[in-house]
Amino acid sequence: ILNVEQSPQSLHVQEGDSTNFTCSFPSSNFYALHWYRWETAKSPEALFVMTLNGDEKKKGRISATLNTKEGYSYLYIKGSQPEDSATYLCASLLGYSTLTFGKGTMLLVSP
Amino acid sequence: GAGVSQTPSNKVTEKGKYVELRCDPISGHTALYWYRQSLGQGPEFLIYFQGTGAADDSGLPNDRFFAVRPEGSVSTLKIQRTERGDSAVYLCASSPLVGTDTQYFGPGTRLTVL
Repeated sequence: ILNVEQSPQSLHVQEGDSTNFTCSFPSSNFYALHWYRWETAKSPEALFVMTLNGDEKKKGRISATLNTKEGYSYLYIKGSQPEDSATYLCASLLGYSTLTFGKGTMLLVSP
Repeated sequence: GAGVSQTPSNKVTEKGKYVELRCDPISGHTALYWYRQSLGQGPEFLIYFQGTGAADDSGLPNDRFFAVRPEGSVSTLKIQRTERGDSAVYLCASSPLVGTDTQYFGPGTRLTVL
């Protein structure tokens, strides 16, 4: 894998559903993996910064896992709420300074 | 405390014009980054500063783009002879240090070149 790739591109779920997204990134020269949530007309909000293989992080109903050896990370949302509707971006820190982003997963949660 | 701010929030200009986009980082943050998000893409790196100097400008698409951070705080991204392909959301971020620190983003400037 040469680029950061995210799937699915978009997702539409009902309130209360649990969901997960995938981020794939180059496993060589890995420094860190960032997850952001970006709501329309707002600043991207940092969710997690993960550096160690096997890392698991949690923030409320959102959690993430990291596998640096195979180059993927999963983001989970338990019991989705309409306010979770946003674009979720992952980015790999390449060259220890700059983030390389995926195209994002657009989540829509209907009441 | 105050987050990263960017002005203007929207800028509409005509092809061939010069524009300046401003970023006010979080106070005390050493590192400042510029990214650009074109339609349907993720944000792409343009340039980053460590203090006053541009540590890496490898993402600037061509010599029409230039950025400064003269006092190690506020940064200005300058685009000369704008083209329609420059239309995008320009994002600024800052972090305490370069490296694995979280990068805190501003709301972006939406540039439209007619």
